[in-house]
Formats: sequence, structure tokens, C-alpha cells
Amino acid sequence: DIQMTQSPSSLSASLGERVSLTCRASQDIGSSLNWLQQEPDGTIKHLIYATSSLVSGVPKRFSGSRSGSDYSLTISSLESEDFVDYYCLQYASSPLTFGAGTKLELK
Amino acid sequence: QVQLKQSGPGLVQPSQSLSITCTVSGFSLTNYGVHWVRQSPGKGLEWLGVIWSGGSTDYNAVFISRLSISKDNSKSQVFFKMNSLQDNDTAIYYCARWGGYYYPMDYWGQGTSVTVSS
Repeated sequence: DIQMTQSPSSLSASLGERVSLTCRASQDIGSSLNWLQQEPDGTIKHLIYATSSLVSGVPKRFSGSRSGSDYSLTISSLESEDFVDYYCLQYASSPLTFGAGTKLELK
Repeated sequence: QVQLKQSGPGLVQPSQSLSITCTVSGFSLTNYGVHWVRQSPGKGLEWLGVIWSGGSTDYNAVFISRLSISKDNSKSQVFFKMNSLQDNDTAIYYCARWGGYYYPMDYWGQGTSVTVSS
């Protein structure tokens, strides 16, 4: 199985700050990585697909990128609604696997 | 708009089975697949399996012996069944639409919180 190592597990940041979250893949997954956002009530939304493409309707302050086996989600300027949980998902091979998540907290 | 609504029990006794129904709207099950995922404190998000638009299924090897996914296209319903539940199966269970290769889980159900306890 492909392991997705997500870091940090939690991040404390301020409104307006720029932050980056990272997932490292244990094997080559090409561009087959998405980012998901989970609200406190459990609602899950799709943010980024194919590593760096923004889902329609998602604010442009979110972006995705790749450097080798490291995949990043960057939020350019944090807004209050961004302080929730984030997960990466790889779908290059079965079983699909997720990162362990990053909890973004307001400093 | 695309919606997935889940219904199922919140409490299951050990060794019993769990059944959850995912009723979809805004799209047809003849064109889209549906994944099942669970989330537990101990193991995070785990992919359980998928039923494809044609009716074939793929399961996570860890669960293949006790998992079954089926559907009724005419009722827009997908049926999830897991047998022989134990304490560590306590989790929130989600269905999610497969919207294409780069959109493996583009819309999610609200989740069903399941506790395994006597």
C-alpha cells in the first residue's frame, strides 16, 4: 500500500498568514493526489484535484503543488473559515490511501 | 444539485452486521461510482471499497472477507454491509461519489456515526 505521510499534524497560525501543508508519498503517484477539507461537523469538501487544480468554487487563496514525492497545499492568506482539518488522498493505486490529517488552529 | 444522504443505525452490537444506505440525487448511479470510507480516531480515514457504475466492486483487501457493496439504480441507492463488527469498527462511515479519475471522491455524504457496543 502507498503510505501518505502528512505534516504537520497540527498548525497554529494567524488570520492573514500564509501556510503550507505537506504530504509525502511512499511511492510514485504522479499527479494522482487530491486535497480535502473537513469541517467540525464532519462535512468533507473537495478542494484540489490532480495535485494542483482548483475545484470550481473553491477560493483562489488555496493552491496545490508538487516537488518530487512531496505534495503541498498552500493557503495564501488565512481566513476564519479555513481553521478546520485537511487531508490528502492518493488514488494512483488501490487501496486508495489518505494522509493522517492536519488540524489548522487559530493562534 | 449533487447530494448523497446516508441512513443507518448508530449502534451495533459486537459480532453483528452494519448496514448503511446511501441515497443519491443530482446524478445517476448508471454513470457514476460510489466509494465507502470510514474515519476512526485510531486509524484516520480508511478506504473501504467502491461500486462502479456497471455494478462491479473493488474492496480494500483488509475488509474483503466481511464487506459487501451493492446498489439499486432505479432507486438511486447504494447499500453497504459489513459483517462481524468489533470495537475497533467504531467509526464514522461515509459514502462519496466517484466523479472521474481525477475526482475520485468529489461529493460526500454527511457521514453515519457508528458505535460498536453491547
